[in-house]
Amino acid sequence: DSGVTQTPKHLITATGQRVTLRCSPRSGDLSVYWYQQSLDQGLQFLIQYYNGEERAKGNILERFSAQQFPDLHSELNLSSLELGDSALYFCASSVDGTGGAEEQYFGPGTRLTVT
Amino acid sequence: GDSVTQMEGPVTLSEEAFLTINCTYTATGYPSLFWYVQYPGEGLQLLLKATKADDKGSNKGFEATYRKETTSFHLEKGSVQVSDSAVYFCALSDWARVRGGSNYKLTFGKGTLLTVNP
Repeated sequence: DSGVTQTPKHLITATGQRVTLRCSPRSGDLSVYWYQQSLDQGLQFLIQYYNGEERAKGNILERFSAQQFPDLHSELNLSSLELGDSALYFCASSVDGTGGAEEQYFGPGTRLTVT
Repeated sequence: GDSVTQMEGPVTLSEEAFLTINCTYTATGYPSLFWYVQYPGEGLQLLLKATKADDKGSNKGFEATYRKETTSFHLEKGSVQVSDSAVYFCALSDWARVRGGSNYKLTFGKGTLLTVNP
């Protein structure tokens, strides 16, 4: 158990809809990362937050957004969903997100299926 | 940009066989290198890491050596067990410009599925 929790575990929704994925980092970790894992693209970095502020963006679509709240939990919002958004979405956390060799601790993921 | 290439597999071995999963990378800076493992139904876990050239990371019988001259970080284990069956990801962390600024960014390979049969 990494200490990172994600809800829900599974989500099935229709095209055009909007969903929210939730992540609680390990106790004491200030940085949260979101990743998308799909069969064709592999594991892709989406976005990073540190202590409530956006720190870096990766391959995140304009239809997706995220935020980190004062209690450090984070939410990833996916809107106008398309079939191609079906994937496993991972949240990870680390102590401060500034070190190149810093370990990231991954949650169990949320599997999103868009029908 | 940074990239990681690893053998895609799947790799199927018998218990106690020797394992090698190849990983090579391209990076503009001096990255740290990682192997993560994903067991069925779970998130990724750090298996081992190396932060500079010639460093050897090791954990649970797995080893990998940071080879700058060949830009490689191959994963090896002398005797695999059924419990090692999982997907293995090679990754690098490098300082990179990303939208919104710059930061250390993890770039992953596509993963290698390992199945170990009794």
